[in-house]
Amino acid sequence: GQNIDQPTEMTATEGAIVQINCTYQTSGFNGLFWYQQHAGEAPTFLSYNVLDGLEEKGRFSSFLSRSKGYSYLLLKELQMKDSASYLCAVVGSNYQLIWGAGTKLIIKP
Amino acid sequence: NAGVTQTPKFRVLKTGQSMTLLCAQDMNHEYMYWYRQDPGMGLRLIHYSVGEGTTAKGEVPDGYNVSRLKKQNFLLGLESAAPSQTSVYFCASTHSPDRAHEQYFGPGTRLTVT
Repeated sequence: GQNIDQPTEMTATEGAIVQINCTYQTSGFNGLFWYQQHAGEAPTFLSYNVLDGLEEKGRFSSFLSRSKGYSYLLLKELQMKDSASYLCAVVGSNYQLIWGAGTKLIIKP
Repeated sequence: NAGVTQTPKFRVLKTGQSMTLLCAQDMNHEYMYWYRQDPGMGLRLIHYSVGEGTTAKGEVPDGYNVSRLKKQNFLLGLESAAPSQTSVYFCASTHSPDRAHEQYFGPGTRLTVT
C-alpha cells in the first residue's frame, strides 16, 4: 500500500528551530511537497523537492532523500504565526497526490 | 484574478438531502480536484478532472458525482447525503500533472449532515 507518516503534533518555542519529519512508501515518486494550513483555512504551498538535497526558502527549508523515503521541513526563527498544520504529500506514479495526515505545530512564547 | 472559489462556504443538510458544491477557477487550469478533509486524516481525493468534459474517480468516490461541463467549473454532487459525509471539502486546480505540486486551493466548504 501507499502511506505517508508524519508526527501528529509538535510543540516548539518562539525563536527556536523545529524539524518536522515525513516518511513515505509510495508506488512511484514524482516529487514531494509541503503545505502549510492554518486552522479553518485552505492549504498553501510551501516547498517542493524532486531531487535529493536541501531546498532553502527564507526561514523554511525542505530536505529529501529518495533512497530513504524521507523528507523533513525545517523552520527557523519560529514566529507565533507559524502555528499551523504542516502537510507532507507525494506525487505518485500516476501524478496523483498522496497526502499525509499533517503535523500540528504549536508555538509557545 | 480570484484564483479558486467555492460556493457555498457552509451548509447543513439533513440525511437524504442532495446538494451541489461549485468550484470555479480563473487561471485556465486543465486539472481540477475535489478533496475531503477529516480530523486526523490527510486530504483524500474524491474525484478529479484532467480537462473539460472528463472526470475520474479518486480514492473515496462513493456517494459523490462530479461534472466538468466548462473548463473553469468543477461541480461536486451529493445525491443522498449521509452523516459520514460531514467534512470540509476543498477544491484545487493545477496547470498540468507534472506541476501537481503547484495546486491552488479554494477556501473550503464546511458541510454538516445531520
